[in-house]
This record gives sequence, C-alpha cells and structure tokens, in this order.
Amino acid sequence: QKEVEQNSGPLSVPEGAIASLNCTYSDRGSQSFFWYRQYSGKSPELIMSIYSNGDKEDGRFTAQLNKASQYVSLLIRDSQPSDSATYLCAALNRDDKIIFGKGTRLHILP
Amino acid sequence: KAGVTQTPRYLIKTRGQQVTLSCSPISGHRSVSWYQQTPGQGLQFLFEYFSETQRNKGNFPGRFSGRQFSNSRSEMNVSTLELGDSALYLCASSLKETLGDRGLGQETQYFGPGTRLLVL
Repeated sequence: QKEVEQNSGPLSVPEGAIASLNCTYSDRGSQSFFWYRQYSGKSPELIMSIYSNGDKEDGRFTAQLNKASQYVSLLIRDSQPSDSATYLCAALNRDDKIIFGKGTRLHILP
Repeated sequence: KAGVTQTPRYLIKTRGQQVTLSCSPISGHRSVSWYQQTPGQGLQFLFEYFSETQRNKGNFPGRFSGRQFSNSRSEMNVSTLELGDSALYLCASSLKETLGDRGLGQETQYFGPGTRLLVL
C-alpha cells in the first residue's frame, strides 16, 4: 500500500500567524496532490490541488510541491479561528487511487 | 449546481445485518468513489465506479460491494455487518472520464456529507 504521511498534531498556531502543514508520499509515480479541510462531524472539502513543482497560491492558502523530495505542504497565512480543523493531504497514485493521509489537526489560538 | 448527496445520513444496525447506502453525484460527474473513514485508519478507498462499471478497488473484503446506475447514482452494500464496520462512509464524485486523467482538475473529488453507520 502506497502511503501518504502526515503529522497527526495537534498543531497549535496563534491567530494571525502562518500555519504550516506538511505531508510526504511514498509513490514516486504520484502526479496530482490535494489538500482537504475537514471540520469535526463534516465531510472533507477541497482547499487546493497542485500538480507541478513549486508554489500555488489561492487567497490565504499556498500549496507547495517538491516531487524530488516527495513532499507537499500547505501554508495558511493570517490564520483565523475558523481555520481550526483537520487537514487531509491526498495523492493520486500510479494505480489511479487517491490515497489520503490520516490528517493533521490544526488549532488556531485566539 | 447541487453537490453530492448521500442517504441515509445515519444508520444503526446490528451485527450480521446488511446495509445499502446511496449516493447521487454532482450533475455531469460520472465517476463515483466510495471511502470508509474511521478514527484509527483515516480515509480508506473502497472502490470507484464509472459508466456502471467498477474500474478500481481498494483492499476491502468481498462483503463490501457496490454498483452504479445509468444515471450515475451509486449504491454501496455491506453484508454480514461486523462491529468494525462502524464508520463514516463517504461518497465522492469527479469528472474523471478515463483512467489516467490527471493534471487538469478532472480528477478532483468532491465529497458528499457521508453516512454515519453504527453497528451494535
């Protein structure tokens, strides 16, 4: 089973600071990567997708991909209490399956 | 455009029973995937259906099965329920038409609200 690994957290970040979430994947054939946010008791909702090496920005969110290091990250600028949630990293692997990490719990401190 | 819908939202069953869950994808989406989410294992892929055919499958026992109808609606069935089947079952739809579609966003999956199954 090809893995996607995330630190389970919780990661505590003061309001207004930058939250940095990290993810590594083992299948070098993976080409598409996703970050989902999941509030407690709710289903995952897509934040960002990234396919190419480098950075991709969308509002307060920046996804970073480094295929050589098999590393994906998500930066959240100006963190808000409403950003408190579990963040799931996912990769579409060479078997055409989307594999999810177990998620990082993020807690924004007011 | 309406999102992915799932019914029922909550279910309580006893060991040995069977259960059928339903999923309607986003209009225009023909790919439907099913996932099981538990606190210990996270989100695990069950199977994917496209054009009424199962085209990808995860590592779950044969008690877990599914099907897709011509209108892209999908059902998932679990027979002979076990306590460990208690989980949130999530359905996701995407625009992915063929295996290997990737990089243009069509493989992005959009999740329904889930069905929470409790097996007693």
